Amino acid sequence: AQSVTQLDSQVPVFEEAPVELRCNYSSSVSVYLFWYVQYPNQGLQLLLKYLSGSTLVKGINGFEAEFNKSQTSFHLRKPSVHISDTAEYFCAVSDDRDDKIIFGKGTRLHILP
Amino acid sequence: DGGITQSPKYLFRKEGQNVTLSCEQNLNHDAMYWYRQDPGQGLRLIYYSQIVNDFQKGDIAEGYSVSREKKESFPLTVTSAQKNPTAFYLCASSAKLKLEQYFGPGTRLTVT
Repeated sequence: AQSVTQLDSQVPVFEEAPVELRCNYSSSVSVYLFWYVQYPNQGLQLLLKYLSGSTLVKGINGFEAEFNKSQTSFHLRKPSVHISDTAEYFCAVSDDRDDKIIFGKGTRLHILP
Repeated sequence: DGGITQSPKYLFRKEGQNVTLSCEQNLNHDAMYWYRQDPGQGLRLIYYSQIVNDFQKGDIAEGYSVSREKKESFPLTVTSAQKNPTAFYLCASSAKLKLEQYFGPGTRLTVT
């Protein structure tokens, strides 16, 4: 079965510093990949998605992610974070073998002043 | 304005009572989903529906039931058989299975 691993449960980073949130998946077939953001007591909001085409995907709020098939990774990056980026971030994957999207357990991003 | 609505935002029930959570979407999406979220456990899929009058169990369906009588609506009933119902419940929809999902604001259910 496919799985998604978010290697860090929490990531502290200073304001205006760059950040990378890591995501690895296990599927060996064609995949669709997603990153979501969740602010406290709210639903999830789609940040970006990879369905096909360019491996560098740009999303909302200045985030981008790169699909790396050989490393089965889809890491999320932002060159300069803001206090408003404090939230939980979820990586998700779907593939041809299953009807469902599988979510990672999330990474909490803490922005330090 | 298209989107997904969940009501109510907060819900309190006594143990032994069934409770129904509402989810409505006006995105014209075929697929709808219910997830449960507990601290540190990410999202766990309860039920999903690909089309009207059809739905499938997810990973933690025991103690829950759903219906899909209309494309726009996918209510979730938390029954008294659910051992630990206190959680944050999220509804989502997507145009088709496997594509990006759009989430509602969630319902926080507390059972005492």
